[in-house]
This record gives sequence, C-alpha cells and structure tokens, in this order.
Amino acid sequence: NAGVTQTPKFQVLKTGQSMTLQCAQDMNHEYMSWYRQDPGMGLRLIHYSVGAGITDQGEVPNGYNVSRSTTEDFPLRLLSAAPSQTSVYFCASSYSRPGLAGGGTQYFGPGTRLLVL
Amino acid sequence: AQTVTQSQPEMSVQEAETVTLSCTYDTSENNYYLFWYKQPPSRQMILVIRQEAYKQQNATENRFSVNFQKAAKSFSLKISDSQLGDTAMYFCAFMKPLGAGNMLTFGGGTRLMVKP
Repeated sequence: NAGVTQTPKFQVLKTGQSMTLQCAQDMNHEYMSWYRQDPGMGLRLIHYSVGAGITDQGEVPNGYNVSRSTTEDFPLRLLSAAPSQTSVYFCASSYSRPGLAGGGTQYFGPGTRLLVL
Repeated sequence: AQTVTQSQPEMSVQEAETVTLSCTYDTSENNYYLFWYKQPPSRQMILVIRQEAYKQQNATENRFSVNFQKAAKSFSLKISDSQLGDTAMYFCAFMKPLGAGNMLTFGGGTRLMVKP
C-alpha cells in the first residue's frame, strides 16, 4: 500500500511551458484534491474531485486544469507556466464520508516542488 | 467562507517541556471537523490529531491533545513531553462536513523549535 504518490519530486520550467503533475492513490478514496503551498504560508486548494469524471474549482484555480478519468489518478496540468506558479504542490485523497472512523481525513502525497523561471 | 488564524508564527520549547499552539477559526457552520497537521523539514504533511465539532470531549493522541472551545471558535494543540522530533511547522485546518469534497482551509502555520 503506497498511499498517495506524486511525480516528479522537483521540476524546473521556463515561463510559457506546460507540464502535468501526476498524482495517484491506491486506497480507493473517492475524494482527491490539489493544494499549493507558497513560502511561509498554509496550503491553498486549487482543484478537487469527488469521483471519477467529477471535478470542481477550489480557492486558486486559475492557470490549472484537472481531470479524473479513474478513481486512482488525478493529474494537475499547468497550461502555460508563470513565475507566480512557483510553489510546492500537494495532492491529497480521502474517503467521502467524515462520519466513518477516520473518514474525511486527508492523506497527503510527498509534494512536488516546482520552479518557474 | 471559513478562515483559520494561527497567531503565533514561531515558538520554541525546551525538550521534555509542554507547549501550546493556538488556533482560532471563523465559520457559520455548526457541524465541522478540525485538524492539526505537522510538516517536518521533509515537507510531508502528517496528521497529528482530528476533532469532530459535535463531540464535546477533547481529542487526544499520545502526547498530543487539543482544547476545543466551540463557542469561542478556538482549537489549541498541546504537546506534552516535547521531543526533538516534534520540531516542525504545525498547521491548523478546518473542514466542512459531507458533500463538500472534504476540502481543507489551512491557517498560516506555527513554526515550532524544540531545543535540547
């Protein structure tokens, strides 16, 4: 059981380039989310998904796209990278029902550090 | 919208002593969940403790306990017998219940240094 995995660990992009951050989980969680963490700040929600084929925007969605074709995978796409997207990106997953023991608790991946020059 | 405030950007404590980290939040919800996450230098986000708002009893996990004051919208974390491995950023987070995607709203964090 690997939990939540993210690739790559670190990436350098030039302004205007595109890339996809990969996220996968093997816990059969319905919910998956992407957060970004800027220096000295807490995490902010970019996009989330409540199941395969269903996604929605979070607090800071501009410049990012997501899709969820399977329960396991939730990739985050940067369409045209900008220096303001330099950040650490975390993927998280959870069961849908907080009422269950442990349900609702978000399990985080190790993060992807992105530098946009 | 919910907001979470951690008023202590940095704190330090001597090894084996007790320290309390503060967190306040603002919400109009009645049922919700609160969490403390630890982020060591590795950047991994590690769940420390969770509290369901409908439970009056404060959550405890070994050396970690919370003081949940619902009316005051306060959720502090107490770390007893502090260890060097407790050195990390600590984030308080709020979550609305069912149907909202289990989205977390985070505070700005408190950097805790445990000194030998």
